Amino acid sequence: DGGITQSPKYLFRKEGQNVTLSCEQNLNHDAMYWYRQDPGQGLRLIYYSQIVNDFQKGDIAEGYSVSREKKESFPLTVTSAQKNPTAFYLCASSISAGGPNEQFFGPGTRLTVL
Amino acid sequence: DAKTTQPNSMESNEEEPVHLPCNHSTISGTDYIHWYRQLPSQGPEYVIHGLTSNVNNRMASLAIAEDRKSSTLILHRATLRDAAVYYCILRDREGGSEKLVFGKGTKLTVNP
Repeated sequence: DGGITQSPKYLFRKEGQNVTLSCEQNLNHDAMYWYRQDPGQGLRLIYYSQIVNDFQKGDIAEGYSVSREKKESFPLTVTSAQKNPTAFYLCASSISAGGPNEQFFGPGTRLTVL
Repeated sequence: DAKTTQPNSMESNEEEPVHLPCNHSTISGTDYIHWYRQLPSQGPEYVIHGLTSNVNNRMASLAIAEDRKSSTLILHRATLRDAAVYYCILRDREGGSEKLVFGKGTKLTVNP
């Protein structure tokens, strides 16, 4: 089945630790995205990548880092510099960035920092 | 990005039609109107999108006002599985709008 997978579903970390969230897609999409969602709120864009080896900051990139070494993978690292990392993290992909292209979302990773 | 305004919540009964409104009075001529929905504890999923004409697909219909300043997502027969938060989003047809700008959406409750 084609789709986007995120792992793990739930993640717990101690304050001050870096943590990496996985996102893989087998849809052959060029563009990939990371969003953050806080309770009762809409999604906010952290980083996006339009093509392999290229990525841009979104609205709330501070304290996060990404890489795009392979077309199908776009991991997100939540660093200790992120002041309030507890949130629901969603990865998405689309055929290409912008325009009317539909974005396909993964099931999300719920990160709790203790 | 142009903004949209939606009611915070709506309620419907199972097997009845649901009309979810969205106002976008500052929409530009190149903005598509997109709808996504998010079931509890899941990622959003695409529902439908349109530019000027009304659109239908297997999930829903999208009715767009003639002046494009508002639109309505229509679920023809609501089921319990349609209970979700529905987001109305504008996207520029000419690109440069890589992100989806999510507001708080409308939380739809479907009563059995």
